[in-house]
Amino acid sequence: EVQLVESGGGLVQPGGSLRLSCAASGFTFSAYSMNWVRQAPGKGLEWVSYISSSSTTMRYADSVRGRITISRDDARNSLYLQMNSLRDEDTAVYYCARGLGQWLARLDFWGQGTLVTVSS
Amino acid sequence: DIQMTQSPSTLSASVGDRVTITCRASQSISRGLAWYQQKPGKAPKLLIYKASSLESGVPSRFSGSGSGTEFTLTISSLQPDDFATYYCQQYNTYYTFGQGTKLEIK
Repeated sequence: EVQLVESGGGLVQPGGSLRLSCAASGFTFSAYSMNWVRQAPGKGLEWVSYISSSSTTMRYADSVRGRITISRDDARNSLYLQMNSLRDEDTAVYYCARGLGQWLARLDFWGQGTLVTVSS
Repeated sequence: DIQMTQSPSTLSASVGDRVTITCRASQSISRGLAWYQQKPGKAPKLLIYKASSLESGVPSRFSGSGSGTEFTLTISSLQPDDFATYYCQQYNTYYTFGQGTKLEIK
């Protein structure tokens, strides 16, 4: 059974940092591209970042570029999102999602999300 | 950036109804469009990809159509489990989601 379990969310002050993790199981993690998608409270979905299966290509939304770094550890079947210089508008549930293919592929499986709250 | 606009924002319907949700792209995205269903507190679930291909395990009452800038998601006969929020997503140029359509019980 495919499983994606996010962790690392919490309350952080504006300007602070947080590292999110996504633990994958039930599939060959190294063969798939991965993404982070977020959803602000009561709002719609916003794609945040992408990493290819080989970690050779990373992409970011304009709203987070320069403040967020995506990475993966295939030996640990884990995806990460390092978030720095956090702003109020980064408050959201962050989902990891598997890409069925490389860049510009459908997102066929999502985790349950982890909540990040940026507030003083 | 490509903008995705869904209509309506809210849709009230009854079990057994046929419903259609529309998604418009600000420029052509060929057939690079997916539809997701999301229930409160849950992760989105992929329903349709490549505009009209049904994801494995998704009931056949869901169907998608369109290309270019105009797309539709149709549920042929609403079931109680279908009341949820639906999002379209383009994956032709980066990724952009529509604002969502909440499907409510009439």
